[in-house]
Amino acid sequence: GAVVSQHPSRVICKSGTSVKIECRSLDFQATTMFWYRQFPKKSLMLMATSNEGSKATYEQGVEKDKFLINHASLTLSTLTVTSAHPEDSSFYICSATGDGYTFGSGTRLTVV
Amino acid sequence: GQNIDQPTEMTATEGAIVQINCTYQTSGFNGLFWYQQHAGEAPTFLSYNVLDGLEEKGRFSSFLSRSKGYSYLLLKELQMKDSASYLCAVSNDYKLSFGAGTTVTVRA
Repeated sequence: GAVVSQHPSRVICKSGTSVKIECRSLDFQATTMFWYRQFPKKSLMLMATSNEGSKATYEQGVEKDKFLINHASLTLSTLTVTSAHPEDSSFYICSATGDGYTFGSGTRLTVV
Repeated sequence: GQNIDQPTEMTATEGAIVQINCTYQTSGFNGLFWYQQHAGEAPTFLSYNVLDGLEEKGRFSSFLSRSKGYSYLLLKELQMKDSASYLCAVSNDYKLSFGAGTTVTVRA
């Protein structure tokens, strides 16, 4: 079946630094990828829709200058959390549309 | 907007059956998904309904009524490993909106 690889699985960074999270579709081409964040015991909240070769579409309330999304190829999308602060600490998950919606394994970001 | 409701928690005994209900009000509808999520892990696909009726897949079944904005996930012959969060998600304009999830605890 379809596999989406997300890296890193865990990252701890200092406040004010930037962190890049990668999401790769391993055995299929993903025209569209989605980025979610999830707080403990809460639902997945869609942050943005990423389309290959075009600008991402952000959901209301999500700062596009803070959460930079790049979808440079049909198999890779990246999310960069810029100037991270402790309130950005969360679980970030990507998904790709191929055979249905396939999710990456998630990235636990902790900003200290 | 999207409004997807499901119970917060359910507890059941090993070998029993549990039914998780999900009601939704969305501006559009392309289908309804159920996912299982263990703590700290990504959701894994369980079932998909786009037409009314029951979809059966091994120990898991899912039902949809589009006119009522209602779905349920039925878990049979519960096993300890089924303890997890179960997420109801509605596809609208091919974007998924999730409910808050139902934490199912299976007791011996």
